[in-house]
Formats: sequence, structure tokens, C-alpha cells
Amino acid sequence: QKEVEQNSGPLSVPEGAIASLNCTYSDRGSQSFFWYRQYSGKSPELIMFIYSNGDKEDGRFTAQLNKASQYVSLLIRDSQPSDSATYLCAVLYNTDKLIFGTGTRLQVFP
Amino acid sequence: DTEVTQTPKHLVMGMTNKKSLKCEQHMGHRAMYWYKQKAKKPPELMFVYSYEKLSINESVPSRFSPECPNSSLLNLHLHALQPEDSALYLCASSQEGTSGSETQYFGPGTRLLVL
Repeated sequence: QKEVEQNSGPLSVPEGAIASLNCTYSDRGSQSFFWYRQYSGKSPELIMFIYSNGDKEDGRFTAQLNKASQYVSLLIRDSQPSDSATYLCAVLYNTDKLIFGTGTRLQVFP
Repeated sequence: DTEVTQTPKHLVMGMTNKKSLKCEQHMGHRAMYWYKQKAKKPPELMFVYSYEKLSINESVPSRFSPECPNSSLLNLHLHALQPEDSALYLCASSQEGTSGSETQYFGPGTRLLVL
């Protein structure tokens, strides 16, 4: 059973702070990892993907991957109230099967 | 452009109705997907089409019938649904093959209510 685990939250951070979202996965052979943001009632929107160990930065977002620990994280710097959403970690198996974690609800308060 | 479109946005149907959901992408992607998402749950994979052929069926009941008329279009035919099938139905597409090209892009979804 391939699993992706996330803390469901809510994670509450003040505006301007760093939000740290974490995800672990069970299949050591996984190669591709994704973070999606989903606002209530909307569809998932891709934020970042990461394939290699280490950090990948895109604007205020940094994804971190540690394959040895089977751990993926997403850091959001200078958090804004508009970042309040559910963040879904997803792991790709066999090039086409995407398994999602349960999502972490982030609340950024002014 | 990473746009996937879905119609209709909302659908209400009775348990004896037949309806279809439509999905379209013009990004040249070779893989298309149907997901089902219940409230406060993550998306669950239903079907995968690769190069217009059904490659994955996640043991979905036969009242859901997918169809891929061409590489840009994906349909989901619905018949004799149950109230518990009410959910957000999401379509996604990806260019597949080489590593780094498997990113899936989602459409806006169809919110289905079965009465």
C-alpha cells in the first residue's frame, strides 16, 4: 500500500511568517514529488515539483526533498492571507499514478 | 498555456439519468486522467488514458464509463449513479514519457450532485 502522509492541521501562522508544510511517503522507489494548493471549492493548482534531493526555490516557495528520509517539505516565506488554503503533497508512481496526501490546511492571519 | 477545461461546471442528476462530463486540453499532452474528490478528502484516481488507450481503471463501478475520442478530449459517461457518487470530478492531463514531464495539470472540475 503506497501512502503519503501529511498533518491535516490547521497550521496557523501570522502574516509575514514562514509556513512549513511536511509530507512523508512510504515507497522508497518514488522519484517525482509535487505540491498543489487547493482553495475551498476549487481544483488543485500546481505550486512546485521536485525530483532531486535538496532544495528548489520558486519565488516565496521552497520545496525540500530528502529521499533517504522519505520526506518532502514546502516552505512559504512572507506568508500572506491569500496563501490560506489546503496544501496537497502528491507522489508519482509508475509515471502516471499520482497519490495524494490528505492535505494540510494553512491559515494565515493578519 | 497549461489549461484544461471541463464542462459542465455543475450538474444535478437523478439516479435514473444518463449524463456525460467533458474534458478538453490543447497542450499536446498524451495522458489524461479522471479523479473523484469528496469534501475534505484528497483527489482519488479513477481512470488513466495514455495515448488514447485506457491504461488504468482503479476498480471503478461500471456506472462510470470513460471514453477518449481523441488525444484532446476525455469524456466520463454517467448512468444509474447513487447519491454517494456526489463529488467534485476532476480531469487532469500530462505529457508523459521522460522524467520531468509527468506533471499533471487539473481542470476546474465538475461538481456533481446525485439526487
